[in-house]
This record gives sequence, C-alpha cells and structure tokens, in this order.
Amino acid sequence: DAKTTQPPSMDCAEGRAANLPCNHSTISGNEYVYWYRQIHSQGPQYIIHGLKNNETNEMASLIITEDRKSSTLILPHATLRDTAVYYCIVLSLLGSGGSNYKLTFGKGTLLTVNP
Amino acid sequence: DAGVIQSPRHEVTEMGQEVTLRCKPISGHDYLFWYRQTMMRGLELLIYFNNNVPIDDSGMPEDRFSAKMPNASFSTLKIQPSEPRDSAVYFCASSVQGATNYGYTFGSGTRLTVV
Repeated sequence: DAKTTQPPSMDCAEGRAANLPCNHSTISGNEYVYWYRQIHSQGPQYIIHGLKNNETNEMASLIITEDRKSSTLILPHATLRDTAVYYCIVLSLLGSGGSNYKLTFGKGTLLTVNP
Repeated sequence: DAGVIQSPRHEVTEMGQEVTLRCKPISGHDYLFWYRQTMMRGLELLIYFNNNVPIDDSGMPEDRFSAKMPNASFSTLKIQPSEPRDSAVYFCASSVQGATNYGYTFGSGTRLTVV
C-alpha cells in the first residue's frame, strides 16, 4: 500500500472549517483513500473514504485531487469534540481469495479545536 | 448493534503471568483484527482473521503472543508469559468483506499494564 504524509498537528477554531491535508503521491489506480480518527482513549473511528470522486457524508467531506496524489478531509464546522488524531490511509481492496486488505496506521495529524 | 465488545477494559498483571484478552465482533462480520497501541510505536496490526482462519500474523511480536478465533463470535489474544514491555492498549476490530462503506469497527480497547 502507498505511504501517506500528514502534518503532525493542526489547530482550528470552534465553528470554523477544519481542512486536514494528506499527501499520497505514490497511490496506484486501485487504491482507496480512507480517513479514520481517534479521540483520546477510544478506538479509531471510520470517517469517510473515496477512490476518485469527492465524497461527502454526515461527518465530513473528502476532496481528492484529479491526479489523486493528495487529498483533504474537511470538517465543515469543527466542534471541541472533533479534537482527535486523524489518520489518512491508502488501501487496496484487491486481494486473493476474498480480499487481503488490512489498515496500516501512520502517525496521523493531531487536530486541536480551540474554543 | 452493540458494536465490537472487548473485555476486560483494564487489566493489571504481574510479570510472568498469563493474560487473555477477549473480543466479540459484530455479528455477520467475517474479518477480525487485533491491534496494539503504544506511544512509541502507534497502532500496530498484530494479526487478522477471515472466516475464523488466521490470514496474517506477521505483526505478532513474539511466540509469547497467540490468538485464536474458535467461532465467528469470539476471539482471544493471549500473552504468556507477560512482560512489562507488553503494556499497551489492545484493540479488536471487525469488518465485513464487500461492505467497504464503513471500513473497520473498533472496540473500546483493553488497557494492559504489566508490572
């Protein structure tokens, strides 16, 4: 799976949009971009994923550049509860005998939402 | 759905003792993953199962670690004998092949302290 690069930390004001970047310049055509987050002392939580097109759900939006070498996770109105470590993961869902996929977590970005 | 259930939430044991961590995946999920998290090494995948069969145990650190999945609703991670460096938070996660929309669902973790 391709490697990702994320800033170690970011700050955001409560109520503002949080834009978390991720670089994945070696991504291949069959690899998806996944985002998870981990709030302190909890297990990681799935946020969103995408392949080529931009995606939006009730939690966030995912913007993937046309060349797919980078992406941005957008939390449109950050709250204090969004303070967490955000992980960007590139993952191929193809595999032998029924998908041999596994999530490999990097260091992520610590997003701190300030009041 | 109760989600992925792990027990115990906290475990304190003396060096040399056997430790057993337990996990109940979400019903219908055919993948089960064991992760370990420390400050130094972050989230590490230890082993994962598909349809109760171990697929990849390359992350298991030593022979002191073993994992089993006797049926679709239960898995154990055993450490025997335990050592202080095994102190970490151990997460279990489950997933279902084909339902890529939601990725993995993680449990709340077991915080293990070996003294």
